[in-house]
Amino acid sequence: AQKVTQAQTEISVVEKEDVTLDCVYETRDTTYYLFWYKQPPSGELVFLIRRNSFDEQNEISGRYSWNFQKSTSSFNFTITASQVVDSAVYFCALSEPLQGAQKLVFGQGTRLTINP
Amino acid sequence: DTGVSQDPRHKITKRGQNVTFRCDPISEHNRLYWYRQTLGQGPEFLTYFQNEAQLEKSRLLSDRFSAERPKGSFSTLEIQRTEQGDSAMYLCASSQRLSGYSTDTQYFGPGTRLTVL
Repeated sequence: AQKVTQAQTEISVVEKEDVTLDCVYETRDTTYYLFWYKQPPSGELVFLIRRNSFDEQNEISGRYSWNFQKSTSSFNFTITASQVVDSAVYFCALSEPLQGAQKLVFGQGTRLTINP
Repeated sequence: DTGVSQDPRHKITKRGQNVTFRCDPISEHNRLYWYRQTLGQGPEFLTYFQNEAQLEKSRLLSDRFSAERPKGSFSTLEIQRTEQGDSAMYLCASSQRLSGYSTDTQYFGPGTRLTVL
């Protein structure tokens, strides 16, 4: 069965600092997908990124960047020059096959607090 | 652009009562998922619909839970004889199957927070 571990339960930094959220996964599948979602206090999960197992290129989107390393089964997320609006719970997720689709297996989440 | 909507946003009920939640997916999304999230945890998969067909159910979904998606549009999740352990956030997500891809991105609604007293 798939498993996702987010060892950092809570992180607190001062605004403008860089911060990295760790994600380690376990799977026996050769083809799989990894995701990051953001959950602000309002509760809605906001999609950030999807990465498939064949694409190990790092991705950058504005202040966000993702480092995917199959050798260590990790998919880490870095926020550069953090802002107060980045405060939220962040979830890493791994796809697991369903009948004709995929379900998401989530980690426990990392609560990120950016202090002004 | 209308996202996934859920109703109600909050529900407080007494133990033993029945409750029903509704999810309206993004229009034209043919896949719909229900997840449950308890405090301090990540969401856990409950069930999945492709159009109107319920194709998968988690063992978390006891026989007190039932979900429907008539006509492949909105979905309802009913919990009968609620228990205090049912207190959680119930999240709905939808996605569109794309040809050439083995998976798709799930977009989540704001959730229904259930409190069972």
